[in-house]
Amino acid sequence: AQSVAQPEDQVNVAEGNPLTVKCTYSVSGNPYLFWYVQYPNRGLQFLLKYITGDNLVKGSYGFEAEFNKSQTSFHLKKPSALVSDSALYFCAVRGSNTNAGKSTFGDGTTLTVKP
Amino acid sequence: DTGVSQNPRHKITKRGQNVTFRCDPISEHNRLYWYRQTLGQGPEFLTYFQNEAQLEKSRLLSDRFSAERPKGSFSTLEIQRTEQGDSAMYLCASSSPGDTQYFGPGTRLTVL
Repeated sequence: AQSVAQPEDQVNVAEGNPLTVKCTYSVSGNPYLFWYVQYPNRGLQFLLKYITGDNLVKGSYGFEAEFNKSQTSFHLKKPSALVSDSALYFCAVRGSNTNAGKSTFGDGTTLTVKP
Repeated sequence: DTGVSQNPRHKITKRGQNVTFRCDPISEHNRLYWYRQTLGQGPEFLTYFQNEAQLEKSRLLSDRFSAERPKGSFSTLEIQRTEQGDSAMYLCASSSPGDTQYFGPGTRLTVL
């Protein structure tokens, strides 16, 4: 079985400060890892993914994430937060088998960036 | 816009009624997924199709739920005899095999 934990329900940062949203995962074999963002009453918007290769992946809107295999983590980061980054963020994992369809999501972390 | 589309965006129904939702995937994607999201939780997997074949179903998908993708393009999700516990956001996503899932805007179902 695969699972994702997002240990923080809420993260608050001041505009201009760096932000980190944490994610740990469990999956059989090599993981495919994803971050999505959700705005109120909207679907999920893809931010970035780790499939293979460099452990630091860069995505949309200046976000990046670091894959750490030994700690089974995939934390989302941004060097300088914007008020417009305030939203709900989801981490997801899937097995690397091409036949694997199901993604498992964490329960989300609400990011609030204050001016 | 060539993204995933879902209709309707909102549905209010009375308990016991049947409802049907439609999802149109990104045209070049042969995989289509349905998820359900309730307040304060992440999306929960319901089922997915590769072309017209339904390859996996969650045990969350009770016998009141059925999904189809008859021609390998759009998909429908039907809920029969709705219950208040079915109130949720129903999300559709599409992808190529092994690739990123892209989500539609969702259909919010309210069962009174």
